[in-house]
Amino acid sequence: EAGVTQSPTHLIKTRGQQATLRCSPISGHTSVYWYQQALGLGLQFLLWYDEGEERNRGNFPPRFSGRQFPNYSSELNVNALELEDSALYLCASSYAGTGNQQYFGPGTRLTVT
Amino acid sequence: DQQVKQNSPSLSVQEGRISILNCDYTNSMFDYFLWYKKYPAEGPTFLISISSIKDKNEDGRFTVFLNKSAKHLSLHIVPSQPGDSAVYFCAASLNVGQLTFGSGTQLTVLP
Repeated sequence: EAGVTQSPTHLIKTRGQQATLRCSPISGHTSVYWYQQALGLGLQFLLWYDEGEERNRGNFPPRFSGRQFPNYSSELNVNALELEDSALYLCASSYAGTGNQQYFGPGTRLTVT
Repeated sequence: DQQVKQNSPSLSVQEGRISILNCDYTNSMFDYFLWYKKYPAEGPTFLISISSIKDKNEDGRFTVFLNKSAKHLSLHIVPSQPGDSAVYFCAASLNVGQLTFGSGTQLTVLP
C-alpha cells in the first residue's frame, strides 16, 4: 500500500511570491491534515480537510489556505510569502472519524529567500 | 501557549538499556495521546498510542504510561537499539482532526 506522497520535495521561493504544495493521501483515507514544522520547533497544526470541506484550521493567517479535491488529494497554498514561512510542511491522512492515527508524508521543505 | 511539552531536547542511552522519554501536557480535556518517531528527511511514523481511559499500553519493546493526575505521559523503550535513534514526538488530541505536538526529543542510542 502506497503511503502519503507530497510534492515537490523542495521548493525555493522569494519573499512575496506564492507557494503551492501538494499531497496525495493513502488510498481509502478521506481526511487530510497539514502541519508546519519550523526549524527547532514541533509540528504546528495548519489545516484539516475531510470530504472536500475545511473542518478546522490552526492559528495561522488567512494567507495560508488550501483545498481538497474529489479524489481526496489536497493542495496547500501560501500567499505573500514571508521569510518565517521557511519550514518543513507535512501532510498527513487518516480514515474518516479516526483522525487520531494520522499517517504522514515525507514533507515539502519550503525555503523563502 | 505550549499545551504539550517535551522538556528534554535530547537523551543518550546505551544500547540494551531502557530509554524513557517524557511528555507533559496542560489541557485536561485531551483524550488521546500518541508517540511518533521521526528520522531526518522523513515524515513522522506512528509508534504507539493510549486513550485517556487507560494508564498503560504496550506494543513489543514500546510501552506508554499515562498519569492523568500529573498530566504526564512517558514512552519506555526496552531494550534500546541503535536503530531507535531518532526524534520522538508526543502528541495529544482533543477531538478528531487536530494533533497538538510537543517539540520533540532527540534520542541517541550508543552502541
